[in-house]
Amino acid sequence: GIQVEQSPPDLILQEGANSTLRCNFSDSVNNLQWFHQNPWGQLINLFYIPSGTKQNGRLSATTVATERYSLLYISSSQTTDSGVYFCAVPVGYALNFGKGTSLLVTP
Amino acid sequence: GAGVSQSPSNKVTEKGKDVELRCDPISGHTALYWYRQSLGQGLEFLIYFQGNSAPDKSGLPSDRFSAERTGGSVSTLTIQRTQQEDSAVYLCASSSNGLVYEQYFGPGTRLTVT
Repeated sequence: GIQVEQSPPDLILQEGANSTLRCNFSDSVNNLQWFHQNPWGQLINLFYIPSGTKQNGRLSATTVATERYSLLYISSSQTTDSGVYFCAVPVGYALNFGKGTSLLVTP
Repeated sequence: GAGVSQSPSNKVTEKGKDVELRCDPISGHTALYWYRQSLGQGLEFLIYFQGNSAPDKSGLPSDRFSAERTGGSVSTLTIQRTQQEDSAVYLCASSSNGLVYEQYFGPGTRLTVT
């Protein structure tokens, strides 16, 4: 199946800092999603982004499908951004998740 | 409802007992998925339902696991003779179609087998 690798595995930021999270995948895909898992375990959809760039407030994402990677940008980070960020690509009907980037934003 | 709902939110059971976990998808969503999130294992696909088609059970880890979906809506995941390694968060998701559409996740059921 398609391998999904995320980097970095862990990240600590001071409030207000910017960061870039990366997701590499081993084969071409027609769907890619970014999720935020909050400290309570809820998986929240951030972006459905098979290609191109999307922005939502302080977050934006870019997928370059031909080069098999996607980037998630977090600007002016806040403590509420803490949690685990997952990217996921389809394998058949299911989503295959990366291992996530664990983000801690400190005051 | 507005989102995917799951019940119970937490379940503690003794090894060897059977458990049932419930998922209510977003109204109108035809596709429903079960995943499991274990410590150190990440998120694993378990089973997929699409409309009235036969489910894709390729992710179920053993024959102790089964799921059904009644009337194309609510789904129940059943684990028989639970083992300690079944302890995990069980997540349900739904989407408006099966293949390339955005999946929306419920809050999960945290299962602890003692």
